[in-house]
Amino acid sequence: TQLLEQSPQFLSIQEGENLTVYCNSSSVFSSLQWYRQEPGEGPVLLVTVVTGGEVKKLKRLTFQFGDARKDSSLHITAAQPGDTGLYLCAGPLSNFGNEKLTFGTGTRLTIIP
Amino acid sequence: DAGVIQSPRHEVTEMGQEVTLRCKPISGHNSLFWYRQTMMRGLELLIYFNNNVPIDDSGMPEDRFSAKMPNASFSTLKIQPSEPRDSAVYFCASSFRTGVGFTEAFFGQGTRLTVV
Repeated sequence: TQLLEQSPQFLSIQEGENLTVYCNSSSVFSSLQWYRQEPGEGPVLLVTVVTGGEVKKLKRLTFQFGDARKDSSLHITAAQPGDTGLYLCAGPLSNFGNEKLTFGTGTRLTIIP
Repeated sequence: DAGVIQSPRHEVTEMGQEVTLRCKPISGHNSLFWYRQTMMRGLELLIYFNNNVPIDDSGMPEDRFSAKMPNASFSTLKIQPSEPRDSAVYFCASSFRTGVGFTEAFFGQGTRLTVV
């Protein structure tokens, strides 16, 4: 059972279009992170959100943390080929009192020039 | 800092052989993670250390897998005996655990393991 479900699993769009990907869970997070992974590399952190309802912007990327801190979204405006990659959300999920950094299922994004 | 360093980058081995993957975390980080990534299952957490102590190894597939962290600057993941289904990219990551979660996790470049 995946604790962090991401959707869609795959997304292929034309350059210049807008898109939104989602990260959902039935668990509450103290914080949530978004990473991007390119082929042959490890994931790299894009942003951390901490407060319910928080919105953070990173150039053309907008991240939102749900009010209940169970979900998050990533919106990309005017997508560019350089945005291509695997987008992963991650959160510290508790397991018998110990927190571990758990990653979502990922959204593989392809931007077509 | 050179970041998280993993070795080897690529490993091809025959079924039944022992495989040892190595990781040097970022100095000052108190948490170390071993993940396995495949197309089918995504990025799975295998084991997590905090202050060199294994905290959660519930993701370790079976007894063939073992991990150690003898000191703050070194960790190993061993597979013995290896099987073809162990083929995957294995990532080591380090972070700093705070009171409300973790700071940024820095990943190594991974070890691509192929068991034939």
